[in-house]
Amino acid sequence: AQTVTQSQPEMSVQEAETVTLSCTYDTSENNYYLFWYKQPPSRQMILVIRQEAYKQQNATENRFSVNFQKAAKSFSLKISDSQLGDTAMYFCASTGTYKYIFGTGTRLKVLA
Amino acid sequence: SAVISQKPSRDICQRGTSLTIQCQVDSQVTMMFWYRQQPGQSLTLIATANQGSEATYESGFVIDKFPISRPNLTFSTLTVSNMSPEDSSIYLCSVVSLAGNEQFFGPGTRLTVL
Repeated sequence: AQTVTQSQPEMSVQEAETVTLSCTYDTSENNYYLFWYKQPPSRQMILVIRQEAYKQQNATENRFSVNFQKAAKSFSLKISDSQLGDTAMYFCASTGTYKYIFGTGTRLKVLA
Repeated sequence: SAVISQKPSRDICQRGTSLTIQCQVDSQVTMMFWYRQQPGQSLTLIATANQGSEATYESGFVIDKFPISRPNLTFSTLTVSNMSPEDSSIYLCSVVSLAGNEQFFGPGTRLTVL
């Protein structure tokens, strides 16, 4: 069975600093995707970044980057130059066929 | 990308009643899903809404409680039946891109059952 684990229920970071959110997963799929979604207080789920498992290169989107360790089944999200607008719940997710499995989330608060 | 709208955005209901949530997508999609997100929790998949056939429910969810319709490739409804306070949640509709590599979410419906 697919599982996604986020071990940090809450984190905080000072504005302009860097923070890393952890995620581990387990899957029997050979080809899968990994995602980080952001859910601000508006509750709209927003895709932050996506990693294809067959690609070794870590995905990067502006201030957001991942550290994908396939053998360790680890997929952490690094947010650089944190901004107040980054305050949100962050969910790690994986998919094999079509079902998305979500972690329990990390509540990130960016402090002014 | 896909733009998804949900109606209503929120509602407060009495126990024992039913509420139907609508989900409209701006393009034809194959896979549509309904999720529940209880307060402060992660997303739990309720079911996959299949066009032209019965929905596929996840463990712990049954059709009598959560009947789903999907009359076409752009629209689906989820009904929360015989509601109790435990059904108070955010209900989210989502679709998967044709390539299967991205899931788009509606804005959610916040349901409170008194």
